[in-house]
Amino acid sequence: GDSVTQMEGPVTLSEEAFLTINCTYTATGYPSLFWYVQYPGEGLQLLLKATKADDKGSNKGFEATYRKETTSFHLEKGSVQVSDSAVYFCALREAGRRALTFGSGTRLQVQP
Amino acid sequence: EAGVTQSPTHLIKTRGQQATLRCSPISGHTSVYWYQQALGLGLQFLLWYDEGEERNRGNFPPRFSGRQFPNYSSELNVNALELEDSALYLCASSLGSGDQPQHFGDGTRLSIL
Repeated sequence: GDSVTQMEGPVTLSEEAFLTINCTYTATGYPSLFWYVQYPGEGLQLLLKATKADDKGSNKGFEATYRKETTSFHLEKGSVQVSDSAVYFCALREAGRRALTFGSGTRLQVQP
Repeated sequence: EAGVTQSPTHLIKTRGQQATLRCSPISGHTSVYWYQQALGLGLQFLLWYDEGEERNRGNFPPRFSGRQFPNYSSELNVNALELEDSALYLCASSLGSGDQPQHFGDGTRLSIL
């Protein structure tokens, strides 16, 4: 079945550091890929998405590129802020289906 | 534009009781999804409703059920509550057609004593 694997957290960075959160997936078809962010006490917010190979999703300084050859969708940001502290979830959705399959989440802590 | 709203925010029940969770989708969205976020198990898909019909369900027992009303709001019912049902239940909505992103509410935290 489908699955998403994320790097274990927590990831602790200083403000203005470069961020990478790794995400790899297993799917039978050609899924759409998503990054969601969950701030403390809140639900999930869609951060960015990509629907086909080589697509780059971007939002709020975050980027991720759909790499079919390595089945990866790593999240990057050039300079993190304290306000980026949250849990980040990578997810996929198989073509023609609605259910999202999530990774286990990666907690990011940014220190001033 | 109002987002997805869920009620109640917190719900405390005891084993064997029934719980009802409610969700109002974003205006214009006809699809509603339910997910369970339990400690140690991550986020798991529960149910999908569209146009009043259950379209798909995840790997959960039948005591998890729900419905969608004509105004597209939805209820999730959990019968015969067990301790392991303690979790954050998230509702999401999307437009009904095509490859539309899902927008999530803030969730209902269900605690089983």
